[in-house]
Amino acid sequence: GQNIDQPTEMTATEGAIVQINCTYQTSGFNGLFWYQQHAGEAPTFLSYNVLDGLEEKGRFSSFLSRSKGYSYLLLKELQMKDSASYLCAVRTNDYKLSFGAGTTVTVRA
Amino acid sequence: GAGVSQTPSNKVTEKGKYVELRCDPISGHTALYWYRQSLGQGPEFLIYFQGTGAADDSGLPNDRFFAVRPEGSVSTLKIQRTERGDSAVYLCASSISWGSSYNEQFFGPGTRLTVL
Repeated sequence: GQNIDQPTEMTATEGAIVQINCTYQTSGFNGLFWYQQHAGEAPTFLSYNVLDGLEEKGRFSSFLSRSKGYSYLLLKELQMKDSASYLCAVRTNDYKLSFGAGTTVTVRA
Repeated sequence: GAGVSQTPSNKVTEKGKYVELRCDPISGHTALYWYRQSLGQGPEFLIYFQGTGAADDSGLPNDRFFAVRPEGSVSTLKIQRTERGDSAVYLCASSISWGSSYNEQFFGPGTRLTVL
């Protein structure tokens, strides 16, 4: 089976930075995705990493180290609307996505 | 164009009944995926289609679950003899194709199934 771990909850202040870590042990690796999911809504795509390094997209950045089985999502200049669950998902060689349980981020004023 | 749509948005049924959940993927997307998400968990893979055929149904929990995609577009997830443990949000996603190096999946809003 696939094992994907991320913290259950994180809290941060508006305007601050939060880093959500994800570690994985999977049978094969073919890319790592981060999705944002607001309560009661569908997951929406945030970022994709397949090579080691940092991918930056506006206020959101994602990092990958394949040798360590590790990724993080960095959220900068937090806004209240960033309160949501953040899902780490690994695509294995059969092109299926395996998701972590999600990290609920609460942004406080 | 329109995103992935799913109907119904909510379905309440009684234990032992049969239900059908429908997914309309984004036009032109050949790959379609079904996931199940329980409260506080990430989506769990059930099955995916490339065109009309089920390319991988290894995530279906048992033979009460079945899915079809007869014309390579709309898909229906069918659950027979529903059990209370089937209660979850069923998510559908589609992508341009299966097997490309970059293959973002676009998710629908889900169907919340409650089995009483």
